[in-house]
Amino acid sequence: DIRMTQSPASLSASLGETVNIECLASEDIYSDLAWYQQKPGKSPQLLIYNANSLQNGVPSRFSGSGSGTQYSLKINSLQSEDVATYFCQQYNNYPNTFGAGTKLELK
Amino acid sequence: QVSLKESGPGILQPFQTLSLTCSFSGFSLGTSNMGVGWIRQTSGKGLEYLATIWWDDDKYFNPSLNSRLTVSKDTSNNQAFLKITSVDTADTGTYYCTRAALTGSSYFDYWGQGVMVTVSS
Repeated sequence: DIRMTQSPASLSASLGETVNIECLASEDIYSDLAWYQQKPGKSPQLLIYNANSLQNGVPSRFSGSGSGTQYSLKINSLQSEDVATYFCQQYNNYPNTFGAGTKLELK
Repeated sequence: QVSLKESGPGILQPFQTLSLTCSFSGFSLGTSNMGVGWIRQTSGKGLEYLATIWWDDDKYFNPSLNSRLTVSKDTSNNQAFLKITSVDTADTGTYYCTRAALTGSSYFDYWGQGVMVTVSS
């Protein structure tokens, strides 16, 4: 299975700040990468697919980038509603695998 | 408008069979390229992909649970089903049904609210 390593595991940031979350795949996943946001008590919601495509309805302050084995999620101008846990998922190979998550809190 | 909702027993005992139902709307498993995926979230393994069933009844199972999983569908009633045999405490968690956005290995563009399952004697 492809191993997805997310960093950091947790993150504290201030309102208006820019946040970066990293995801490292154990092998090349050819940009077959999605990012999800999970708020407390809720199910994950798709933010980004194909490494850099924004899902309909997702604010433009979210963006994704990367290629090969290294990917990142960027949140510009952090808002209070962005407090959540963020997960990456590779879908280049079965079985699909997820990162362990990055918990984002407000400073 | 796509929506999905899981339902299941809540609590079951070790060695029993877990049966979950996903009732969905806004798409049909009778339409080409549609698929319903099952994912669970446990304290031990985090988010774990389980299986997908496709419009043409093709299926994919996570090899780590392959022998214990069954997926099926009722196209007429917009439902999909997951069964896991011989559960143990490691199967405790929240189970989600999702819509697969792509044919084949895919990301998941819509998720149900999840159903909590506890395995306890």
